[in-house]
Amino acid sequence: AQSVTQLGSHVSVSEGALVLLRCNYSSSVPPYLFWYVQYPNQGLQLLLKYTTGATLVKGINGFEAEFKKSETSFHLTKPSAHMSDAAEYFCAVTKAAGNKLTFGGGTRVLVKP
Amino acid sequence: GAVVSQHPSWVICKSGTSVKIECRSLDFQATTMFWYRQFPKQSLMLMATSNEGSKATYEQGVEKDKFLINHASLTLSTLTVTSAHPEDSSFYICSARDYSRSGTDTQYFGPGTRLTVL
Repeated sequence: AQSVTQLGSHVSVSEGALVLLRCNYSSSVPPYLFWYVQYPNQGLQLLLKYTTGATLVKGINGFEAEFKKSETSFHLTKPSAHMSDAAEYFCAVTKAAGNKLTFGGGTRVLVKP
Repeated sequence: GAVVSQHPSWVICKSGTSVKIECRSLDFQATTMFWYRQFPKQSLMLMATSNEGSKATYEQGVEKDKFLINHASLTLSTLTVTSAHPEDSSFYICSARDYSRSGTDTQYFGPGTRLTVL
């Protein structure tokens, strides 16, 4: 079975500061990893994904994540937070592209002016 | 990117009634769709996998007779909450698997449907 752990249910950052959201996974097979963002009362928007190849993945809105197999991690970062980054972020894992996703508990990001 | 719609976006119903939620892939064909449930301030939990032309596969603990899923076409899956009760109030989100676009295999999520059962 696969699982995802997101450390920190809430993260507060100042506008312009680094955003770091932590995600660790468990998978018996090489994983496909995803980060999604959810704004209030909306569905999920894909930020980025790792399938194979380059371990540093760049996504939309200035976000990037690095797949570290040895640490079973896929942390999400953004160098400079914007007010519009305030949202809920979910890390997810699957064993193959297009298969059902297992989500982490989510991290709510608050951006302070 | 590919678009997935859900209808309705909000629904309020009385206890004991049934509610149908539609999930449509607007610009691609989806042989597989997924239904998730999200309680307030919680993560998404997969309810079932819907495959076009066949029975849905339900996750453990999900009542198949209560949450009826029909995937009658390559662009439409429906979730019917039968005899709804207040504990069924939740945010229901679908996703559709696009296996053809540009050779990639990606899930696209709908905007969600908020169900409130009085």
